[in-house]
Amino acid sequence: DTAVSQTPKYLVTQMGNDKSIKCEQNLGHDTMYWYKQDSKKFLKIMFSYNNKELIINETVPNRFSPKSPDKAHLNLHINSLELGDSAVYFCASSQTLRVVNTGELFFGEGSRLTVL
Amino acid sequence: SQKIEQNSEALNIQEGKTATLTCNYTNYSPAYLQWYRQDPGRGPVFLLLIRENEKEKRKERLKVTFDTTLKQSLFHITASQPADSATYLCALDFNSGNTPLVFGKGTRLSVIA
Repeated sequence: DTAVSQTPKYLVTQMGNDKSIKCEQNLGHDTMYWYKQDSKKFLKIMFSYNNKELIINETVPNRFSPKSPDKAHLNLHINSLELGDSAVYFCASSQTLRVVNTGELFFGEGSRLTVL
Repeated sequence: SQKIEQNSEALNIQEGKTATLTCNYTNYSPAYLQWYRQDPGRGPVFLLLIRENEKEKRKERLKVTFDTTLKQSLFHITASQPADSATYLCALDFNSGNTPLVFGKGTRLSVIA
């Protein structure tokens, strides 16, 4: 039973299009994240939500809009896609934002976005 | 700004030897330091967490050390096996509600049979 699942796994699209990536976690966690891993393999935080509330928004163009309908879901919508948006996007969750015992993140398998 | 560096992009090691990966950081010491494993085409998987007041943590063949004076963590895999081949990421955890984990670029380990 997958803990953090994201769809689609692969997404190929043209510049200028709008696309969405969906994420769901069944761990009962309070906090969810979107990370971007570019071709140089750096994992960079984009957004963090805690109980549906936006906590972190890290200098991401406003073409990227996260939405958390409930604490088990965090979707990412991208408008007017650009070549530089090509990357692997990872959804993750953690038990809570402020951690006491363990602060581990549970990652999804990633969504590889290719913008042509 | 906070920087985190992992010693080398790639490390090749003979099966059975101990692999040692290095993670260095600048500026502030985190409350915790985490290590993750990432296989090609997969998401990172948590391995170990070490607190700033702990010198060493072990889990089976894995050992992590944390030296806040040197601002460095070492990650060891003893008796390495080809199945240990993967990219290993370290991450700084400041245990702050508004501060996310800061990940290093990772070291790609190849264990050769």
